[in-house]
Amino acid sequence: QQQVKQSPQSLIVQKGGIPIINCAYENTAFDYFPWYQQFPGKGPALLIAIRPDVSEKKEGRFTISFNKSAKQFSLHIMDSQPGDSATYFCAASMWPGNTPLVFGKGTRLSVIA
Amino acid sequence: DGGITQSPKYLFRKEGQNVTLSCEQNLNHDAMYWYRQDPGQGLRLIYYSQIVNDFQKGDIAEGYSVSREKKESFPLTVTSAQKNPTAFYLCASSRTVSNQPQHFGDGTRLSIL
Repeated sequence: QQQVKQSPQSLIVQKGGIPIINCAYENTAFDYFPWYQQFPGKGPALLIAIRPDVSEKKEGRFTISFNKSAKQFSLHIMDSQPGDSATYFCAASMWPGNTPLVFGKGTRLSVIA
Repeated sequence: DGGITQSPKYLFRKEGQNVTLSCEQNLNHDAMYWYRQDPGQGLRLIYYSQIVNDFQKGDIAEGYSVSREKKESFPLTVTSAQKNPTAFYLCASSRTVSNQPQHFGDGTRLSIL
């Protein structure tokens, strides 16, 4: 129940394409869903986050879609660039509670020119 | 600039030695975390601390120890009991444990000589 299942494990897209990374969860107490971007040799950095009171959130080329009834959320990267090549992690947290973020296993994205 | 500083960036350990990884934050966050990252394994939680002088085991605490004597500092000791310590170690912090984004340092890569 504490898991967040992320797919695919890896993804290759052409420059300008729209990679989509999906995450699913079981625990309905989760109510905060961030996405992190990690470049090799660096720590993950917060990219965008959503709470379940909205179904979509956009920040620049990055969009989170959230489907509360299906218990799924996804990251879309519009007009992807080679500089977007990184590993992406979804995560979830619950309120109330004293437990840390639960992370997905990550998706390695490669954007080829 | 506010952030998390991990040191050293690279660390080598001889068999049977304990080593301590440093993590300092100036974000005034109450909660701090240690993660281990292996290739293709995602982020695995070792220990976390909600407040000074308190910490809890994560999913893979065996062979590791921590202390939290100051709000700003959360050092991790990799003991000789940890049989496979070679990994990338990440420290993070957040305002509170739940429902808040975590901010990560740039990691320490530990290798066995």
